Amino acid sequence: NAGVMQNPRHLVRRRGQEARLRCSPMKGHSHVYWYRQLPEEGLKFMVYLQKENIIDESGMPKERFSAEFPKEGPSILRIQQVVRGDSAAYFCASSPVADLEQFFGPGTRLTVL
Amino acid sequence: QKEVEQDPGPLSVPEGAIVSLNCTYSNSAFQYFMWYRQYSRKGPELLMYTYSSGNKEDGRFTAQVDKSSKYISLFIRDSQPSDSATYLCAMKGGAAGNKLTFGGGTRVLVKP
Repeated sequence: NAGVMQNPRHLVRRRGQEARLRCSPMKGHSHVYWYRQLPEEGLKFMVYLQKENIIDESGMPKERFSAEFPKEGPSILRIQQVVRGDSAAYFCASSPVADLEQFFGPGTRLTVL
Repeated sequence: QKEVEQDPGPLSVPEGAIVSLNCTYSNSAFQYFMWYRQYSRKGPELLMYTYSSGNKEDGRFTAQVDKSSKYISLFIRDSQPSDSATYLCAMKGGAAGNKLTFGGGTRVLVKP
């Protein structure tokens, strides 16, 4: 049973470009969470989604960031008009139901030039 | 004040020693407590998941939760160089819902 998959593993963007990060949860998991780890900082919650629904987006920056988890396909975290401060590791986690453990993917490391 | 406090270390121990890690938290509504291990440039790996106060043991790992003191611990017995990593505590529950709130992590170095 494959774990949480994220791609790309590394992404380089110039300021002003768009970044799209993809997350495929573990098989049988319908709950997806996105976290961000800034350099020398801890993991911070961004958004929690179930299929086709955003459950909690209290950690998402108000502008430029959006997330979706469509009925078919991976969850997408989208960052428009990236700035240098967006450079970080972005991790996706999934769980089978809300109250159980969250399992993390390997992360996408975004570098904004 | 951060919701979850964790000493950043580094914590250096000789191989075979017991590693003792802890976190304190301020939100009494937290109900679920986790420990993750993160190697450099990798994703967090779940080690322990506990719900209630008390002890939980899994192999070389023991997790303790004391809700009355808002204090959780992780003990690693017979430590190995491969245990060298950053250990993150995380918790959730109450009004925070299912989002995890993490401590800053403790860097552990096990010397051969």
